[in-house]
Amino acid sequence: KQEVTQIPAALSVPEGENLVLNCSFTDSAIYNLQWFRQDPGKGLTSLLLIQSSQREQTSGRLNASLDKSSGRSTLYIAASQPGDSATYLCAPTGTYKYIFGTGTRLKVLA
Amino acid sequence: DADVTQTPRNRITKTGKRIMLECSQTKGHDRMYWYRQDPGLGLRLIYYSFDVKDINKGEISDGYSVSRQAQAKFSLSLESAIPNQTALYFCATSDRTGFQFFGPGTRLTVL
Repeated sequence: KQEVTQIPAALSVPEGENLVLNCSFTDSAIYNLQWFRQDPGKGLTSLLLIQSSQREQTSGRLNASLDKSSGRSTLYIAASQPGDSATYLCAPTGTYKYIFGTGTRLKVLA
Repeated sequence: DADVTQTPRNRITKTGKRIMLECSQTKGHDRMYWYRQDPGLGLRLIYYSFDVKDINKGEISDGYSVSRQAQAKFSLSLESAIPNQTALYFCATSDRTGFQFFGPGTRLTVL
């Protein structure tokens, strides 16, 4: 069974810092991996999707990498802003099923 | 207009009652999903459907049933609600690349 771990569980940084969120998964037989953000009491917003054949994806200040063989993905956020404060979730998918990590709760201080 | 809508947004009910949560999407996706989210447990997949005639159990389907009435509609039912089904429920759709889009969620409380 796929298990997903996100480290750290919580992170507080000053505005402007570059930061890295980590996601590890136990079953490397995945089709893709998606990163989401969730604001308190709200739904999930899709950020990036990396297919299993890809190594990374970029969208604006966000860059996600995937190393299937080691079961790891990282989300890099450049020049963090207070509006980036949210919980970030990763979800690798295999056999069409998404398994979610419990997330990293990020707070960016102004 | 939102691409994925859920009704109701909030519901309080009593143990033993039948509850239906509804999901509609305008994205034209074939694939739809129902998840529940509990503090500390993350999101867990309840059911998923890849087209109108396809229904599959997810990780935690016991106590739930679903109906795919049309490509755009996927409803989740709790036949006899119990307190440990109190949670935030999300509907999602995806295209064939697997990119998922989520609805705003339904907060369900079972007393």
